[in-house]
Amino acid sequence: AQKVTQTQTSISVMEKTTVTMDCVYETQDSSYFLFWYKQTASGEIVFLIRQDSYKKENATVGHYSLNFQKPKSSIGLIITATQIEDSAVYFCAMEYQGGRALIFGTGTTVSVSP
Amino acid sequence: GGIITQTPKFLIGQEGQKLTLKCQQNFNHDTMYWYRQDSGKGLRLIYYSITENDLQKGDLSEGYDASREKKSSFSLTVTSAQKNEMAVFLCASSIGESSYEQYFGPGTRLTVL
Repeated sequence: AQKVTQTQTSISVMEKTTVTMDCVYETQDSSYFLFWYKQTASGEIVFLIRQDSYKKENATVGHYSLNFQKPKSSIGLIITATQIEDSAVYFCAMEYQGGRALIFGTGTTVSVSP
Repeated sequence: GGIITQTPKFLIGQEGQKLTLKCQQNFNHDTMYWYRQDSGKGLRLIYYSITENDLQKGDLSEGYDASREKKSSFSLTVTSAQKNEMAVFLCASSIGESSYEQYFGPGTRLTVL
């Protein structure tokens, strides 16, 4: 069965520093997509970044990047030059149900202080 | 751009009551989803639909029914509301299968008295 695990419940960082958060997953599929989503304090959920398991290169979008380690079934999210508005809950997700839906982790709360 | 609208924003019902949550999207997306988010927890899939009149069960479908009569709308019915299912219900849509990003609605907060 597929599973996504985020062990870090919360992380606090100072503004303009880098934050890294972990995610490990379990799947029997040879090809799959992995995602990170952000939920703000207002409850809004937005897509951030995606990794194709077939690609060795780590995905990067703006100040978000991924640390994809396929042998370890790990997909970490790195946020560089953090801003106050990066304070949110970050969810890792993976395809399941035959690639037709997503399974989410429990989330990591990031607090960015000035 | 597009938008996902969920109604109502807040839903209060009695234990055992049948309650319906509605979701509309104007992205013209094929696939729509219903998730439940318990306080401080992740999202768990209740139902999804890959096209009009299609319904697929997620891990949390027991106690819920869904309906997709139009491409743009997806309804979720709580068949008999229980206090332990007080949560935020989130609707989402995507252009196709799960390799595409999902767009989320603002949620419906369910309270059961």
